[in-house]
Amino acid sequence: DIVMTQSPDSLAVSLGERATINCKSSQSVLQGSNNKHCLGWYQQKAGQPPKLLIYWASTRESGVPDRFTGSASGTDFTLTISSLQAEDVAVYYCQQYASLPWTFGQGTKVEIK
Amino acid sequence: EVHLLESGGGLVQPGGSLRLSCTASEFTFSNYAMNWVRQAPGKGLEWVSLISSSGGSTYYADSVRGRFTISRDNSKNTLYLQMNSLRAEDTAVYYCAKRKTSEAVFDSWGQGTLVTVSS
Repeated sequence: DIVMTQSPDSLAVSLGERATINCKSSQSVLQGSNNKHCLGWYQQKAGQPPKLLIYWASTRESGVPDRFTGSASGTDFTLTISSLQAEDVAVYYCQQYASLPWTFGQGTKVEIK
Repeated sequence: EVHLLESGGGLVQPGGSLRLSCTASEFTFSNYAMNWVRQAPGKGLEWVSLISSSGGSTYYADSVRGRFTISRDNSKNTLYLQMNSLRAEDTAVYYCAKRKTSEAVFDSWGQGTLVTVSS
């Protein structure tokens, strides 16, 4: 199974500041047919189901604000919130979909400093 | 807007069985693969099972293979998860999740149903 490891487990950021969440896969999740990384990011607010933010490591889902940006380098992935808003307080998860079983990172909790 | 509504959760004793349902609306259910994803209390997300759009192919996490069975009835727009031989570690909120068309990410989720396995 591909293991997804996120860092940090939690972070506190001031309103309007940048938040950076990292995710590392234990092996490549690159899809050879299109040279894209099979990596998604989700946001889960308290008491709610997860919400898809990004797929293919950097493609924003429809309706997701452009302050959310995903990037990739090899087996390292980053979700950046460029200017943290109060409504961004949540737990964020990465997920690989390169091979079954699809696996998630352990989550990163983002709070306001 | 896609709507997914899970039901069937509850308290069950270890070794018992439960069947979850997920009723879908506002999209063409039969065109999409569907999944179950669970989340133990205070923990992260765990993919449980996948079924193809036709129902002809199914896949399971190792932790549930042989005990859980995923199925669907496209005429009723409903997804199911039959859970047998339940264990304490199966205690979780179970979400049904719609797979995006080409990418194996989950673009719509239900609100979840809580399954508690305890004596």
